[in-house]
Amino acid sequence: GAVVSQHPSRVICKSGTSVKIECRSLDFQATTMFWYRQFPKQSLMLMATSNEGSKATYEQGVEKDKFLINHASLTLSTLTVTSAHPEDSSFYICSARAGGGFTDTQYFGPGTRLTVL
Amino acid sequence: EDQVTQSPEALRLQEGESSSLNCSYTVSGLRGLFWYRQDPGKGPEFLFTLYSAGEEKEKERLKATLTKKESFLHITAPKPEDSATYLCAVQAPGAAGNKLTFGGGTRVLVKP
Repeated sequence: GAVVSQHPSRVICKSGTSVKIECRSLDFQATTMFWYRQFPKQSLMLMATSNEGSKATYEQGVEKDKFLINHASLTLSTLTVTSAHPEDSSFYICSARAGGGFTDTQYFGPGTRLTVL
Repeated sequence: EDQVTQSPEALRLQEGESSSLNCSYTVSGLRGLFWYRQDPGKGPEFLFTLYSAGEEKEKERLKATLTKKESFLHITAPKPEDSATYLCAVQAPGAAGNKLTFGGGTRVLVKP
C-alpha cells in the first residue's frame, strides 16, 4: 500500500520550454502533496506544499510563477516548470501524505530527472 | 528554526560489521521523527516513524531508537543490499502543511 507514482521518470528539454511532471497517489487519497528538489549528493529541499483544491504554499526563495503547482484531485498533483533553463536541471521528487492526521507519513514518488539543454 | 544534523556523512562497512547512524535534532516540540532509505536515482523509501523518547522500532537488520535530542539507526550485520543513503526528518508542531525538515543524510556502503 501507499504507492506514489511520478511521470515522466526522465525528461530532456530545450531551454525556454515548459515541462509538466505528474504525481499520483495510486492506492490512497492524499489531501496534501509536497514537491522537493534534490541536487547531486545533497538532501531534499522542499519547494512547495500542495493542498487539494487550494493554492500551493511555496517555500522562501522558490518562484511560484516559475514552478506552477496544481492539485486538482485527491490523487493527482502536477508541477510545471515554465520557461525552463539549464539551472533548473535537477531531480524532482513528490510525496503524498496519507490521511489527515498531523503525523501521517509522507510517501515519496520515484522522482523525475529533468535535464534542460 | 528546526534543525536536523546527521552523522557521519558517509560510512563504509564490511559485510557483517554492525554500526549506528546518528540523527540529532533541535525542534520546539516533536510530532514525529521519520527515517527513510534512498537508493541512487530513486525517491526515498519509508522505514520508520518514532513519536516519543524511548520508542524503538525494528525492521529486518534495522532498528531505530529515539531520545529527546537524537535518534539512532542501528544496522546489525549489514549486507551489501543495505547500501543506500539514509535520511532522517522531523516534523514539528505548527509546521506549515505538516512539512518535514530533513537532515543531510548518511551514505552507507557495505562491501562484501
